[in-house]
Amino acid sequence: DAGVIQSPRHEVTEMGQEVTLRCKPISGHDYLFWYRQTMMRGLELLIYFNNNVPIDDSGMPEDRFSAKMPNASFSTLKIQPSEPRDSAVYFCASSPNDRRSGNQPQHFGDGTRLSIL
Amino acid sequence: AQKITQTQPGMFVQEKEAVTLDCTYDTSDPSYGLFWYKQPSSGEMIFLIYQGSYDQQNATEGRYSLNFQKARKSANLVISASQLGDSAMYFCAMREFDFNKFYFGSGTKLNVKP
Repeated sequence: DAGVIQSPRHEVTEMGQEVTLRCKPISGHDYLFWYRQTMMRGLELLIYFNNNVPIDDSGMPEDRFSAKMPNASFSTLKIQPSEPRDSAVYFCASSPNDRRSGNQPQHFGDGTRLSIL
Repeated sequence: AQKITQTQPGMFVQEKEAVTLDCTYDTSDPSYGLFWYKQPSSGEMIFLIYQGSYDQQNATEGRYSLNFQKARKSANLVISASQLGDSAMYFCAMREFDFNKFYFGSGTKLNVKP
């Protein structure tokens, strides 16, 4: 089975440009999560979706960040305009919804390494 | 308050020895799950082991075991017979069932010495 697929794997762009990160969750997973990882701040939850609906976006740093999930198999995280401090590894993760047996871990994509010059 | 606390930023262990990575958690949800992930230098997040809040026995997966002490709200990861390939960052995480939200700790960087 295919895991969580993220694209691109690496992105280098100049400050002020729009950046779009993409994620395809594992088929059948109801939850999708976006994380940012930096040395200084560790792993931060930015936003997560349940059945394509954003549930908690309190981790989104500011209005320059937006995320969408137009369907069950695709999500985007957009940064506009980008700034050097947005440089980080961005992970997408998905998990199934099983309240009866919660032993379902999040499955992570390989991440997008973003560098803003 | 921090939901997940990992107090050991870095640890060293001699190859073939056992090592314990500490994790404490904070929740008022009676139903929750605890997870450990490994992140090697290549960057991917690898799920290692799970413990449910109602599980009576400690979870084990190969060389990994989870020392679950519910009253103390701790979920320490024990790696037996450390190998060089165990050198990585290790994250403790908790899932509260009510909202299916995951919380991650700050991680412990483990270095296995030959």
